[in-house]
Amino acid sequence: DTAVSQTPKYLVTQMGNDKSIKCEQNLGHDTMYWYKQDSKKFLKIMFSYNNKELIINETVPNRFSPKSPDKAHLNLHINSLELGDSAVYFCASSQEGASGNTIYFGEGSWLTVV
Amino acid sequence: AQSVTQPDIHITVSEGASLELRCNYSYGATPYLFWYVQSPGQGLQLLLKYFSGDTLVQGIKGFEAEFKRSQSSFNLRKPSVHWSDAAEYFCAVGRDSWGKLQFGAGTQVVVTP
Repeated sequence: DTAVSQTPKYLVTQMGNDKSIKCEQNLGHDTMYWYKQDSKKFLKIMFSYNNKELIINETVPNRFSPKSPDKAHLNLHINSLELGDSAVYFCASSQEGASGNTIYFGEGSWLTVV
Repeated sequence: AQSVTQPDIHITVSEGASLELRCNYSYGATPYLFWYVQSPGQGLQLLLKYFSGDTLVQGIKGFEAEFKRSQSSFNLRKPSVHWSDAAEYFCAVGRDSWGKLQFGAGTQVVVTP
């Protein structure tokens, strides 16, 4: 069973389009995230949701809108796609416990904007 | 400012040889420390983590890491690498309750026969 699953894994789309990436976790975690990995493989957090509430928003353009219908899902919608949005987007989840907060990542969604 | 440094962008190692990947951090307090591995075209897999206690932590796939507070380091080691260890390795630090991680730039490991 995949703990954090995201779809699609690969997405090629034209500039100006609107697209969504879906994410689901079956770990029972309260917190979910979106991270972006750029072409130089640098990873940076975009958003964090805890129990469906936005906790972290790291100065991401308004064209990016996360949606959390329930605590097991965190979808990422991107409007008016630009060439610079081409990246790998990772969904992740975590649950804070006595031994700290460990983040588990999905397989990634490779977005190419042409 | 908080930062994570992986000094080595690229390391080539022979199969069967030992491997050490360096990670240094700058943080206001002792952070939570992680090593993740990313195989080509794959997602991020957690190798090991340090929160507190024993400074030598064991992870999956035969990896271990040692936290040295005095050096602000959390280096990853493996005594004998396998060809399947060829991948990108990321050190990450965080302390935020909401799990915000700061990643290093990554070290690419190439394993030669």
